[in-house]
Amino acid sequence: QKEVEQNSGPLSVPEGAIASLNCTYSDRGSQSFFWYRQYSGKSPELIMFIYSNGDKEDGRFTAQLNKASQYVSLLIRDSQPSDSATYLCAALNYNQGGKLIFGQGTELSVKP
Amino acid sequence: KAGVTQTPRYLIKTRGQQVTLSCSPISGHRSVSWYQQTPGQGLQFLFEYFSETQRNKGNFPGRFSGRQFSNSRSEMNVSTLELGDSALYLCASSLERDRYNEQFFGPGTRLTVL
Repeated sequence: QKEVEQNSGPLSVPEGAIASLNCTYSDRGSQSFFWYRQYSGKSPELIMFIYSNGDKEDGRFTAQLNKASQYVSLLIRDSQPSDSATYLCAALNYNQGGKLIFGQGTELSVKP
Repeated sequence: KAGVTQTPRYLIKTRGQQVTLSCSPISGHRSVSWYQQTPGQGLQFLFEYFSETQRNKGNFPGRFSGRQFSNSRSEMNVSTLELGDSALYLCASSLERDRYNEQFFGPGTRLTVL
């Protein structure tokens, strides 16, 4: 079992729809979770992070964390073609320092 | 504020050679982490440096090494290159090592081993 798992996709949604990206993790010692967006040929760009159970909203993005279920998600409202990218979920157990454990990423395609 | 910079951006080497990659973190950031990204394995942690000390190391052979200088700049070295070392090498910096450890990535160095 991989430490952080994501559906590889591709996930295809129409423009204006809500895109839902999911991630599960196995290390119960993980305290913080990060969502990165990576365009083809570029480096990962931090979208947001979450460390408390519940929802965290930032503009069109909402991160959700359920530590009991070891589940993290990212919702993108009003999806735009420019949101088409690979989304990487990462977990941090800060007792192990700055080691981020990444999932394989979910490819999102937003169709005009 | 300037972002994380990495040099060189592209490298072509042959098997058996060695390579040194450089990373300059965001001003004020003391933690630098290195990752390898390949299509098959995704993003994998190499090592982390904090205040010139290696704090954590991933599951990579000893051919991969690194260091951090007093100005927080970091270098990683790969000796005796193998074809499988072809990858995008990313460095990320963060303000400090705690659970709010937001890591910001540089543009990466794309290494091709022939």
